[in-house]
Amino acid sequence: RKEVEQDPGPFNVPEGATVAFNCTYSNSASQSFFWYRQDCRKEPKLLMSVYSSGNEDGRFTAQLNRASQYISLLIRDSKLSDSATYLCVVNKNDYKLSFGAGTTVTVRA
Amino acid sequence: DGGITQSPKYLFRKEGQNVTLSCEQNLNHDAMYWYRQDPGQGLRLIYYSQIVNDFQKGDIAEGYSVSREKKESFPLTVTSAQKNPTAFYLCASSSPGQGETQYFGPGTRLLVL
Repeated sequence: RKEVEQDPGPFNVPEGATVAFNCTYSNSASQSFFWYRQDCRKEPKLLMSVYSSGNEDGRFTAQLNRASQYISLLIRDSKLSDSATYLCVVNKNDYKLSFGAGTTVTVRA
Repeated sequence: DGGITQSPKYLFRKEGQNVTLSCEQNLNHDAMYWYRQDPGQGLRLIYYSQIVNDFQKGDIAEGYSVSREKKESFPLTVTSAQKNPTAFYLCASSSPGQGETQYFGPGTRLLVL
């Protein structure tokens, strides 16, 4: 079983729509969780950390479900610029992270 | 501006050749990492270094070597023993004060001729 699993998508949505997707992780001892955004042929960039109580950053909302070991990301009012691959990242220990293969989102005009 | 730089952006390797990828950071981060990204796969850790003059193997270290002689620099050598080196190589760094958040350089694409 992979340490972090994501639905690869693609999720094709119109501008203004809401899109949501999850990732699951296998290590119940994981303590830190992140969503990174990666544009085509570019480096990953931190989108947001995910906290136990859930957190919001503008149009983006992240949730953590420790009991079921999954993390979700919801994007409201999608913009064309939100088109990217979203990487789910979970820590293995203090210095090592596990990366999902990514979920591709395409927002169309 | 603080950040992480990688060079070159593209690198071509001939069979049997060793090549070295550069990674420099001016963020004053203690820890640095090298990852490899292949299409449709998550990033895989090659090597990491928590402090100067110390480094550990990651999940796919075979065929690679690193050094950490300076805090700012963490070069990666892809040796001829790495039989499938074509990939996107990403360097990252992190600071204990920021938890495990890692920040990435722009990457180097390595292609085999």
